[in-house]
Amino acid sequence: QKEVEQDPGPLSVPEGAIVSLNCTYSNSAFQYFMWYRQYSRKGPELLMYTYSSGNKEDGRFTAQVDKSSKYISLFIRDSQPSDSATYLCAMGGQGGSEKLVFGKGTKLTVNP
Amino acid sequence: DGGITQSPKYLFRKEGQNVTLSCEQNLNHDAMYWYRQDPGQGLRLIYYSQIVNDFQKGDIAEGYSVSREKKESFPLTVTSAQKNPTAFYLCASSSWASGNSYEQYFGPGTRLTVT
Repeated sequence: QKEVEQDPGPLSVPEGAIVSLNCTYSNSAFQYFMWYRQYSRKGPELLMYTYSSGNKEDGRFTAQVDKSSKYISLFIRDSQPSDSATYLCAMGGQGGSEKLVFGKGTKLTVNP
Repeated sequence: DGGITQSPKYLFRKEGQNVTLSCEQNLNHDAMYWYRQDPGQGLRLIYYSQIVNDFQKGDIAEGYSVSREKKESFPLTVTSAQKNPTAFYLCASSSWASGNSYEQYFGPGTRLTVT
């Protein structure tokens, strides 16, 4: 079982739709959970981070962490064509190291 | 503007040649990282450094070398021993002072093509 699993998609939605992106993980030591957005041929941009379980909201984006199920989600409300990108989940907090473990990314296209 | 710069954006080399990728940050971050990204793959950690003059191997360090002589700079050398060097290379940094040293910020990347 891989440490972090993320459905690669691709995911295609109409403009204005609610998008749900998810990752599952196996290492219960993870405490920090991040979502990155990566446009084609660019570096990843940190979108959201959450410590431990719970929800965090920032504008149209909501990050959820369910540590009991080892499952994290990113919701995008009122999706826009500019949200078209690859979304990477990342996790850390194991054994005092600052290393992150990344999912493979989900490619999202929002159609006008 | 504060940030991470990587140069060059595109790099072409012949097989058998060593090549060095530049990474500079002016964020005053303590830790720096090098990742490799291949199509359909997640980011894989090559090397990381938490303080000057110290660095650790990541998951795929074979065929790569680094140095950290200055806090702002963390160059990566791709040696001829790296069997599949063609990839997108990303540099990142993070700060202990932020309270979350896991918040890594990335540069724009260098796309290396070896033929």
